Amino acid sequence: AQKVTQAQTEISVVEKEDVTLDCVYETRDTTYYLFWYKQPPSGELVFLIRRNSFDEQNEISGRYSWNFQKSTSSFNFTITASQVVDSAVYFCALTLGDAGNMLTFGGGTRLMVKP
Amino acid sequence: DAGITQSPRHKVTETGTPVTLRCHQTENHRYMYWYRQDPGHGLRLIHYSYGVKDTDKGEVSDGYSVSRSKTEDFLLTLESATSSQTSVYFCACRGDRGAGELFFGEGSRLTVL
Repeated sequence: AQKVTQAQTEISVVEKEDVTLDCVYETRDTTYYLFWYKQPPSGELVFLIRRNSFDEQNEISGRYSWNFQKSTSSFNFTITASQVVDSAVYFCALTLGDAGNMLTFGGGTRLMVKP
Repeated sequence: DAGITQSPRHKVTETGTPVTLRCHQTENHRYMYWYRQDPGHGLRLIHYSYGVKDTDKGEVSDGYSVSRSKTEDFLLTLESATSSQTSVYFCACRGDRGAGELFFGEGSRLTVL
């Protein structure tokens, strides 16, 4: 069975600081997909990124970047120059490359960005 | 916008009463899921469906049943609600293309007194 661990339950930063959210996963499969979702205070879940297990290239999207390292089974998420609007709960998730694609979620990290 | 609506969005009920949550989607997605969200646990899968009348259990399925008689509707039923089922319930859908991301509904907050 697969497992996703987000050890940081809550992080508080001051606006403009950089912040990294950690995600460690466990699976015995060689084909899998990793995801990050954002849940702002309004409650909806917003998809941020999907990465497959064969693509270890880091990705950058504006102030967001993701560092995927299979050697350490980690898929960390960095926000550069954080803003108050980044305040949310962030979830890392894992699915295997088979039919159904049930996502297994980590417990989430609550990020609070203070002005 | 994945066209997913959940109803009701908020419900307060008493222990022992039956409750049904409805998920309706307009995009003809094949796969549909029910998750519950609780503090410290993230989202946990209750049941999922991979087609009309095809459903299977997730990791926290005890006390829940589901039905999918039409592609667009996925119902979650608590036959006899308990206080431990107080939670926020999310419906999600996924298309057929590879390991596509899940699209989530807005959530249904259920309180069992």
